[in-house]
Order: sequence, then C-alpha cells, then structure tokens
Amino acid sequence: NAGVTQTPKFRVLKTGQSMTLLCAQDMNHEYMYWYRQDPGMGLRLIHYSVGEGTTAKGEVPDGYNVSRLKKQNFLLGLESAAPSQTSVYFCASSRGGGGSYNEQFFGPGTRLTVL
Amino acid sequence: LAKTTQPISMDSYEGQEVNITCSHNNIATNDYITWYQQFPSQGPRFIIQGYKTKVTNEVASLFIPADRKSSTLSLPRVSLSDTAVYYCLVAPPEGSARQLTFGSGTQLTVLP
Repeated sequence: NAGVTQTPKFRVLKTGQSMTLLCAQDMNHEYMYWYRQDPGMGLRLIHYSVGEGTTAKGEVPDGYNVSRLKKQNFLLGLESAAPSQTSVYFCASSRGGGGSYNEQFFGPGTRLTVL
Repeated sequence: LAKTTQPISMDSYEGQEVNITCSHNNIATNDYITWYQQFPSQGPRFIIQGYKTKVTNEVASLFIPADRKSSTLSLPRVSLSDTAVYYCLVAPPEGSARQLTFGSGTQLTVLP
C-alpha cells in the first residue's frame, strides 16, 4: 500500500496563477483533510471531507477550493495564488472522524512557493 | 475548541526517558488525547491516543490523570532519531463536527 500520496512535491507559481494539488489514498478511508504548515508553526486545517462528494471548511479556507469526486482522491485548488499562500501543504486521511477512528495518515507534503 | 499548552522545546540526552506534559483544561467529557510526531520535511505521524489512565504501545506511554486536564507523553530511552516536534491534540469523539487542531508543538532535541 502506498498510503497517502501527494502530487506534485514542489511547485513555484507566480502571483495570480492557478493550480491544483492532488491527494490520493489507497486505505479506503472516508475522511480526508488538507492542511498548510508555515515555517515554525503547527498545521492549520484548510478544508476537509467526510466522504465522497462532501467538503467542509476548516480553520483557514479562504483562497482555496476543494473537491472529492472519488473516495480515494481529494483535490485542493488555488484559483489565484498569492504570496501569502507560500507554505507546505499536507494531505491526510482517516478511517473515521473521531474517537478511536481519528488516527490521521499524512502524505509527504507539497512545498509551494508563490512569487 | 479545547486549547492545549505544551513546552516550546526540550533537550535530552540519548538513553534518557523523556516526559512531555501537555495541559488541556477545557477538554470535553468525550474527547480523546492524541499525540503526533513530526520529523523535518515530513508529515506528522500518529504516536498514541488515550482517554484516561495509562496507555502504552511499542513506542511510547501516555499518562492521563483522573481529571484529564493534562497528559504526559513518555518516551523511554530516547535516541538521536527521536529528535522531532511532538504535538499534543484533543481529538473529538466519533460523529463530532470538530476537527483536530494542531498547536505549535514541542521541539524535542536529543543530544549525544
């Protein structure tokens, strides 16, 4: 099993450009998450999904959109990138949303720089 | 949200036991306490989770007093490879709309 994979690993954008980050998991997990991590900080939740076809806002959703068309994939989109979105983006998945099922499995991250 | 407070950093030497204490005064009745480990340039990794008393697995122990307002992660006989950031989180019960909130964590540095 590959676990959680993220594409791409690195990306440099110019202000105003758009891009999509892809997250895939092969563990048949219901829940998926997108986080961002700025230098020296903890992770902040951007959006999450509790199942195929669902999405919900997290702590810092502005400037991002997400889609969960297939259970195994969770896409994060930046419509018009800004320098403030320079960060490392982590995707995660979990079997359930809480209790004993909330162990989250993280991908390797995508390092995004917006110039 | 149940806010957690933990030391910003800790140093230890190889072979020592390390205890990282976290306070979570506003923890709700059905919340769990969860710890994650993060190495540089990697995503966090689940270490251990507990509800009350003591939980032990192959890498760590988690001690939770009766009032559940704090918890202590214990790492036995640390090695250089245990140098990482450790996050204490309050995890909601199944079915809750709340999500995990990561603080800044504790940077553990293991010295030779």
